[in-house]
Amino acid sequence: DAKTTQPPSMDCAEGRAANLPCNHSTISGNEYVYWYRQIHSQGPQYIIHGLKNNETNEMASLIITEDRKSSTLILPHATLRDTAVYYCIVRVAGRDDKIIFGKGTRLHILP
Amino acid sequence: DGGITQSPKYLFRKEGQNVTLSCEQNLNHDAMYWYRQDPGQGLRLIYYSQIVNDFQKGDIAEGYSVSREKKESFPLTVTSAQKNPTAFYLCASSRAQDGNYGYTFGSGTRLTVV
Repeated sequence: DAKTTQPPSMDCAEGRAANLPCNHSTISGNEYVYWYRQIHSQGPQYIIHGLKNNETNEMASLIITEDRKSSTLILPHATLRDTAVYYCIVRVAGRDDKIIFGKGTRLHILP
Repeated sequence: DGGITQSPKYLFRKEGQNVTLSCEQNLNHDAMYWYRQDPGQGLRLIYYSQIVNDFQKGDIAEGYSVSREKKESFPLTVTSAQKNPTAFYLCASSRAQDGNYGYTFGSGTRLTVV
């Protein structure tokens, strides 16, 4: 089973910040939080990842709570091209290295 | 440019036939993965491999087989034992056992069994 839970869908107005939440209450100390997105019929695209600290890159920001049990992906100025399914996943760096995907959040950007 | 290539993009097969999906990467990644995606659903793990000549079953391995004879290649065979093979198949690769390194995905193969 996936180690993360996300809302099934969200709406965001174009030009506004999209804040996508993710719960990972059973995360372990060496597990990274990753965010990917998938546009219809394409392979998932890497967005950002982090362990403890907040992270920012050219696509998004990742805010991880101090207890690491939840995180938020922020797309600062959403455009119609950001319409996609967003997956929050936890990756273990260990012997049984694999990612289990949940169902993700379907983000609709409203014009 | 380095990347991961899946071929073909679309594949049609008759029921009862085995079919092999190709996945090749030139990223020098040790680990490779196969996922299946059904319409409106998330990705489900079929098989994964962290090193040449070794692989493990994922959550839905029944009806599938893989091989890992070369670091660059991880072909997936959909056998006639797979009851509902029509789906979108995604291959990924990464550094093995490195949590601080993301997966790279291919563009997928859409298999339709008629």
